[in-house]
Amino acid sequence: EVQLVESGGGLVQPGGSLRLSCAASRFTFSRYWMSWVRQAPGKGLEWVANIKQDGSEKYYVDSVKGRFTISRDNAKNSLFLQMNSLRAEDTAVYYCARGVYGSGSCFSWDSWGQGTRVTVSS
Amino acid sequence: DIQMTQSPASLSASVGDRVTITCRASQSIPSHLSWYQQKPGKAPDLLIYSVSTLQSGVPSRFSGSGSGTHFTLTITSLQPEDFATYYCQQSYSSFTFGPGTKVDIK
Repeated sequence: EVQLVESGGGLVQPGGSLRLSCAASRFTFSRYWMSWVRQAPGKGLEWVANIKQDGSEKYYVDSVKGRFTISRDNAKNSLFLQMNSLRAEDTAVYYCARGVYGSGSCFSWDSWGQGTRVTVSS
Repeated sequence: DIQMTQSPASLSASVGDRVTITCRASQSIPSHLSWYQQKPGKAPDLLIYSVSTLQSGVPSRFSGSGSGTHFTLTITSLQPEDFATYYCQQSYSSFTFGPGTKVDIK
């Protein structure tokens, strides 16, 4: 069974930085798009960022562009999210998720980690 | 940006009931529609992708349909483990989720 384990969350002051990690196992990590999806307390799901299998393409939701950077290390089966200039509205549980394409180029996430909590507060 | 809406926002149902949740997109998204189930304190689980394809291991009481801008998730006979929040998600242009539909026990 696919395993995704996030780490690196915590309490940080507004304007601060945090680096999230996701350790992947039990599948060939280098063959998949990977993503970060977040969920603010009591709210719905929000896609944050995607990265292609070889790291050559990266996409972000507008609200984090220029502040967050997604990256991966295929040799270590790891996904990262560097978060800078953090704001209160970035407070959320951050999930690492494996992306897959279905028929008709439908992109969805078929495996998720348990999430890591990020709180931005003074 | 493509906006997703869901109705109802919440519903109360009994075990054995047939439940239908509607998802609408602000513009046509062909077959780029997926559904997830999320239980409190847990990560979401993929139920359906490409509008109507059941993810491996998902019970056949779940089904999806629709096209263009209007989609539905149907649970034919609600089971105790189905009480959860359900989200639709489009991948036609970037990625956005609907606000969710909470299904609780009547």
